[in-house]
Amino acid sequence: QQQVKQSPQSLIVQKGGISIINCAYENTAFDYFPWYQQFPGKGPALLIAIRPDVSEKKEGRFTISFNKSAKQFSLHIMDSQPGDSATYFCAVNEGGSEKLVFGKGTKLTVNP
Amino acid sequence: DAEITQSPRHKITETGRQVTLACHQTWNHNNMFWYRQDLGHGLRLIHYSYGVQDTNKGEVSDGYSVSRSNTEDLPLTLESAASSQTSVYFCASSTGGPKDTQYFGPGTRLTVL
Repeated sequence: QQQVKQSPQSLIVQKGGISIINCAYENTAFDYFPWYQQFPGKGPALLIAIRPDVSEKKEGRFTISFNKSAKQFSLHIMDSQPGDSATYFCAVNEGGSEKLVFGKGTKLTVNP
Repeated sequence: DAEITQSPRHKITETGRQVTLACHQTWNHNNMFWYRQDLGHGLRLIHYSYGVQDTNKGEVSDGYSVSRSNTEDLPLTLESAASSQTSVYFCASSTGGPKDTQYFGPGTRLTVL
């Protein structure tokens, strides 16, 4: 059973556009929702994370929107740049656990 | 600078051979994790450790083993490599605590022929 469902699998956006990646989960015990960014040939790296006590977190051009009632969270990349082209993974963490469960990833391509 | 390294970066082996992938971190992190990354499956947890002498099975642990004899290293062993274990393997570490950032190594691409 997939604990976190990520969509879309791939996304193509023009430079300057908005990229939106969505994740949905079922377990209400999850209480930490990070996004990781992975460039080709590299390991993933933490991009931004949110906890369920807030509905939105913004860091530069990257924003996480969190809807606790719908059990969904999404990553918005404003003014997308070719350098943002990478694979993005959402993840969830269950309270009290030190493990992460990752979504299947979204390959983002930003065309110049 | 503190870092996490993996070796080898690329490995080709034959079915049935034992293979060990190394992971070394210099952050003095308590937690270490092994993942495999496959197209369409994302990152799946193989084994993890919360400290020396502690090891735990993850989501896809069959055919893999780990041991933790010191803080810095968590080697991953494939007892008898199978073609289904062809993948990219990532090691990660974190200080400890549920909300702690995991820092990933550069990965090892393993091909089992």
